[in-house]
Amino acid sequence: EDQVTQSPEALRLQEGESSSLNCSYTVSGLRGLFWYRQDPGKGPEFLFTLYSAGEEKEKERLKATLTKKESFLHITAPKPEDSATYLCAVYWGSQGNLIFGKGTKLSVKP
Amino acid sequence: KAGVTQTPRYLIKTRGQQVTLSCSPISGHRSVSWYQQTPGQGLQFLFEYFSETQRNKGNFPGRFSGRQFSNSRSEMNVSTLELGDSALYLCASSLAPGGGTGELFFGEGSRLTVL
Repeated sequence: EDQVTQSPEALRLQEGESSSLNCSYTVSGLRGLFWYRQDPGKGPEFLFTLYSAGEEKEKERLKATLTKKESFLHITAPKPEDSATYLCAVYWGSQGNLIFGKGTKLSVKP
Repeated sequence: KAGVTQTPRYLIKTRGQQVTLSCSPISGHRSVSWYQQTPGQGLQFLFEYFSETQRNKGNFPGRFSGRQFSNSRSEMNVSTLELGDSALYLCASSLAPGGGTGELFFGEGSRLTVL
């Protein structure tokens, strides 16, 4: 059973069409939830860290929120350059384990 | 400031061979972690090193090993390669161990193909 699930697997949007990506988790003892962006042929690029339910972070057209069991990455008025795979990861447990979701591939068409 | 450098970027090996991948972290970063990325399994944690000590290890067989040198550069080795080892191997560096802030800086990866 996956401990970190991202949905949808793929999302196609028109430029300017806002939407949200979801990251749900089942681990206990969450210490942090991270969002990354990965472009083809590149390593992931850090976007946000969220530590507790209710927390929100924003960067340009992206806004990340966190509840007790999931996180959302809201994309407002996306542009083609926002096309990428978005990964979330949860950091949990006393030993500090990091688990990544399988990502949402976002395509924004002009 | 130079980013994380991984070498080689691409390599092709045959089953049974071994491979060594190298990672040079961002200057001043003492924590290096390794990940395997495949289309089916996504990003999976291999191991993490901090100050030459392995702090944590993922659920991979003993054929996967690594080490870190005094200058924080790290290498990972895969012995007796199998077809399923074909993947993108990513290295990430950070100031603090454990990825606690999430601010991992990734290299562009080493793409391994096993024939």
